Amino acid sequence: NAGVTQTPKFQVLKTGQSMTLQCAQDMNHEYMSWYRQDPGMGLRLIHYSVGAGITDQGEVPNGYNVSRSTTEDFPLRLLSAAPSQTSVYFCASSPRLNSGNTIYFGEGSWLTVV
Amino acid sequence: GENVEQHPSTLSVQEGDSAVIKCTYSDSASNYFPWYKQELGKRPQLIIDIRSNVGEKKDQRIAVTLNKTAKHFSLHITETQPEDSAVYFCAARAGANNLFFGTGTRLTVIP
Repeated sequence: NAGVTQTPKFQVLKTGQSMTLQCAQDMNHEYMSWYRQDPGMGLRLIHYSVGAGITDQGEVPNGYNVSRSTTEDFPLRLLSAAPSQTSVYFCASSPRLNSGNTIYFGEGSWLTVV
Repeated sequence: GENVEQHPSTLSVQEGDSAVIKCTYSDSASNYFPWYKQELGKRPQLIIDIRSNVGEKKDQRIAVTLNKTAKHFSLHITETQPEDSAVYFCAARAGANNLFFGTGTRLTVIP
């Protein structure tokens, strides 16, 4: 049981490039989400999914796409990277989205856009 | 959506003293309030949580209090130790909605 696994851990991109951050969980969790963490701004929700085939926008979705073709995987795509997307990205999962469940974070992906 | 405010942004205490971090939330429907600890370069990890039907919860040196009327909740760490140094985040959720986080408090425990 590996929990929530994110790859890559570190990435440097040039402005305008695209890339995908991978997230996988082996706990059969229905809920998965992506947060970005910036100094002084806490954790802000980018996109989330409450099950395979279902995705929705969070607080800061612009510039990012997601898909949920399987229960296990929830990749985050940067369409055309911008320096403002330099951040630490955390994938998180939970059995389902309700008040009784907390969320569990992956180890994070450090992204720098130059 | 929910708006969570957290204070202070930085906190320094002497080892053995207590530390208190306070959060307020805007959505009166919020009913779940977790606290996360994040060490440098690591993921946030849940340390304690409280639900709205409880006013206080304690786990060894850590306690959380909730005042639903005033819409605020607090984290209390007693007998602080150097290993308590980290960034702490509060969060709030209303029912089946997403978790919304505060902006974090950097706690430094001075030996």
